[in-house]
Amino acid sequence: KAGVTQTPRYLIKTRGQQVTLSCSPISGHRSVSWYQQTPGQGLQFLFEYFSETQRNKGNFPGRFSGRQFSNSRSEMNVSTLELGDSALYLCASGEGSGNTIYFGEGSWLTVV
Amino acid sequence: GESVGLHLPTLSVQEGDNSIINCAYSNSASDYFIWYKQESGKGPQFIIDIRSNMDKRQGQRVTVLLNKTVKHLSLQIAATQPGDSAVYFCAEDSGGSNYKLTFGKGTLLTVNP
Repeated sequence: KAGVTQTPRYLIKTRGQQVTLSCSPISGHRSVSWYQQTPGQGLQFLFEYFSETQRNKGNFPGRFSGRQFSNSRSEMNVSTLELGDSALYLCASGEGSGNTIYFGEGSWLTVV
Repeated sequence: GESVGLHLPTLSVQEGDNSIINCAYSNSASDYFIWYKQESGKGPQFIIDIRSNMDKRQGQRVTVLLNKTVKHLSLQIAATQPGDSAVYFCAEDSGGSNYKLTFGKGTLLTVNP
């Protein structure tokens, strides 16, 4: 069974631009959650989707948004990028009925 | 989990020794705890989990202990190997199945051959 797949793996953007990151969950998993990882703040929860509905949201500004499609694939978008948005963005998937979630390798975003 | 900061606790052990990594969590309502291992350049890898109705759970070479009285979690790795070198995170779920995990700041484990 394939793991969580995230694309792109690496990207560089300029301040003010926007970015879209994609996540394909483990087959059969209906929950997808997103986390931001930085050296200073560690791993922080962004949001979680289940059956195309956002169930939970972390303490991030409205520039961070996401969505989930009917096939459980998910995307997150960051608009008006700031230097501080440079981070590893991790996607995790779960079955939706338990608590174990499995992470992808992440998307490394650098904002210059 | 612990509040995050700039300094990452480190633990250095000799190959073959047992390792113990500790974590303090903050939310007494948390009912599910997980340990993840993260190698450089990779995403966190699930190691073991434990629910709040348990005190101890064992896996292959790993044991997680939960002390709810003092809100403390530990991960024990037996016969530590160089491949165990990584950053280890504890995470807590404050309830429900909404997958909103709070992570600790992590501990860097270095295994010396």
